[in-house]
Amino acid sequence: EVQLVESGGGLVQPGGSLRLSCAASGFTVSSNYMSWVRQAPGKGLEWVSVIYSGGSTYYADSVKGRFTISRDNSKNTLYLQMNSLRAEDTAVYYCARSIAVAAHYFDYWGQGTLVTVSS
Amino acid sequence: AIWMTQSPSLLSASTGDRVTISCRMSQGISSYLAWYQQKPGKAPELLIYAASTLQSGVPSRFSGSGSGTDFTLTISCLQSEDFATYYCQQYYSFPSTFGQGTKVEIK
Repeated sequence: EVQLVESGGGLVQPGGSLRLSCAASGFTVSSNYMSWVRQAPGKGLEWVSVIYSGGSTYYADSVKGRFTISRDNSKNTLYLQMNSLRAEDTAVYYCARSIAVAAHYFDYWGQGTLVTVSS
Repeated sequence: AIWMTQSPSLLSASTGDRVTISCRMSQGISSYLAWYQQKPGKAPELLIYAASTLQSGVPSRFSGSGSGTDFTLTISCLQSEDFATYYCQQYYSFPSTFGQGTKVEIK
C-alpha cells in the first residue's frame, strides 16, 4: 500500500528555517517524480517544488532561492528545506507523487503538515 | 503562464442532483487536465486525469470531458459523501497550476 507521511511542520518566526520530511512506503521515491504542494489557510492549492527521478529539481518562483527539495534514497524519504521564511509561506504542506514528467498530476498525497510563520 | 478559470466557486445542490463544474484555460492544453476532490482537513484525492480517465477506485458517477481550453467535471447523481471542494489542475505547461476550487455544498 502506497503511503506518504509528512512531518516537521510547526511555528517559526519570520526569517527562520524549517525542514519538512515525507516518508514514503509502498513505492520507491527515487523512481518517481515527487513534489511539494502547499495550501494557505482557506485558500487553494499551489505547487511548490518537484524532484525528478533523475535528480533534477524545480521550484515555483515564489520560493526559488529559499527552498530546497531533496531526497534520501536509503530512507525512501523526501525533504523540503525552507529558509528565510515569510508570513506568506504559512500553509499546509503536502508531499505528492507523480508517475512521469508528461503525467505531472498527483496520484498519491500525504496527510499534510502545517507550517505557521509568525512572530 | 496559463490562466485557469474554474466555475462556479460555490455550488449548492441536493443529494441525487447532477452537477457540473467547469474549468477554462487561457490557452489550449490538449487533455493534460486532472480533477481532485478535497474534504475539510484532508489531502486532495485524484478523481480524473487526462481530462476523462477515471482514477482507479473512483465511483463511476464521476466523469470528465473536454480538451483544448474547456473542461467539465460531472457528478451524475450527487451522494452525501460528494459534498466537498473540487479542483482542476493543468499539467500541460510548467509550472503545473490549479483552479481556484469549487465548493459543493448541501442546498
